Amino acid sequence: NAGVTQTPKFRILKIGQSMTLQCTQDMNHNYMYWYRQDPGMGLKLIYYSVGAGITDKGEVPNGYNVSRSTTEDFPLRLELAAPSQTSVYFCASSYFLEAEQFFGPGTRLTVL
Amino acid sequence: RKEVEQDPGPFNVPEGATVAFNCTYSNSASQSFFWYRQDCRKEPKLLMSVYSSGNEDGRFTAQLNRASQYISLLIRDSKLSDSATYLCVVTPRGGGTSYGKLTFGQGTILTVHP
Repeated sequence: NAGVTQTPKFRILKIGQSMTLQCTQDMNHNYMYWYRQDPGMGLKLIYYSVGAGITDKGEVPNGYNVSRSTTEDFPLRLELAAPSQTSVYFCASSYFLEAEQFFGPGTRLTVL
Repeated sequence: RKEVEQDPGPFNVPEGATVAFNCTYSNSASQSFFWYRQDCRKEPKLLMSVYSSGNEDGRFTAQLNRASQYISLLIRDSKLSDSATYLCVVTPRGGGTSYGKLTFGQGTILTVHP
């Protein structure tokens, strides 16, 4: 099992560009999450999904979009990148809401 | 008041020391509690769940005090490899606007030195 994989590992964007952060899990988890982590700060929930076709906003959803067409994949879309979106993005999955979350290795994004 | 608050540290302790971290939470309806460990520039990984009766895993002991709304993590006989950031995580009961909203503390930095 690869667990949770994320691509790319690093990315530099210019202001106004867009990109998609990929996340895939092979544990057949229904629940998937996207977090961002700013330096010295805790993780903030951006979006989450409770199953294919079902997504909902977390704490900081502005500037992002998600989709969940399959159980395995949960891509995060950034439209019109802004410097405030410079952060480390983690994808995670879990078997159910209050279970252990398994995290991907993260994507380090810089917006200049 | 933040939903989950931790002392950010850093805690600098010698090998073999005992160190304790506390974490307070504001939502009395919180359901589940965890400690995660995050190494530098790595993803968080579950260290242990926190049960109402308290639980121990080797050198690590976690306790929950619902009345005072805090959880604690005790590390005995610290090792160099314990150096990391320890994240307190609180999850709400299901349903309502808090559904799915897992709340992480900002983390407590621990450095164990020789």
